[in-house]
Amino acid sequence: DADVTQTPRNRITKTGKRIMLECSQTKGHDRMYWYRQDPGLGLRLIYYSFDVKDINKGEISDGYSVSRQAQAKFSLSLESAIPNQTALYFCATSPGLAPDTQYFGPGTRLTVL
Amino acid sequence: AQKITQTQPGMFVQEKEAVTLDCTYDTSDPSYGLFWYKQPSSGEMIFLIYQGSYDQQNATEGRYSLNFQKARKSANLVISASQLGDSAMYFCAMRLLGWAGGFKTIFGAGTRLFVKA
Repeated sequence: DADVTQTPRNRITKTGKRIMLECSQTKGHDRMYWYRQDPGLGLRLIYYSFDVKDINKGEISDGYSVSRQAQAKFSLSLESAIPNQTALYFCATSPGLAPDTQYFGPGTRLTVL
Repeated sequence: AQKITQTQPGMFVQEKEAVTLDCTYDTSDPSYGLFWYKQPSSGEMIFLIYQGSYDQQNATEGRYSLNFQKARKSANLVISASQLGDSAMYFCAMRLLGWAGGFKTIFGAGTRLFVKA
């Protein structure tokens, strides 16, 4: 079984709809992250959480919100989706100890029409 | 400013040959880690190899090695004996390891590797 899972794997939605992407992990890591990937831009950090009570904005947090329901669960919400949020979204975890390698989920491909 | 640069958008290599994927980085933080990830066409991000800024020796993991030249701020990935399954996108990333750096990870734009039979 995968250590970091994401649901759904693919989603097509319409402008203005609320969308939630979910991430679960069995690695026992405290730190969790949400990234988006756009062609030619690599990965950009949306939000990150170092423990259940800790939520931090990344470089592109506008239009997104997150919830850390438990150590193992970290959800990303788009309150009102817009077409330029069409992207591949990754959840990642890391242990918090050097080198703090990040391990990624399989990704969610989101299309906003 | 912290930055990762991968100057090769695409690379071709013949099966069984070695290939080097370039990565240069920029940071003034003394404590950082350099990572390479592989992204096959299926989309997942697979961790390949890590090099710490204080490591004296180049990291190796099976057919992957990291050519770390600190003075040049380069961290090139070398894949030996290329296989068809190595065809993928490869990302170089830098993680700032101290509180001052905010534990940020910066990714390069990636290099797409094509392995020819």
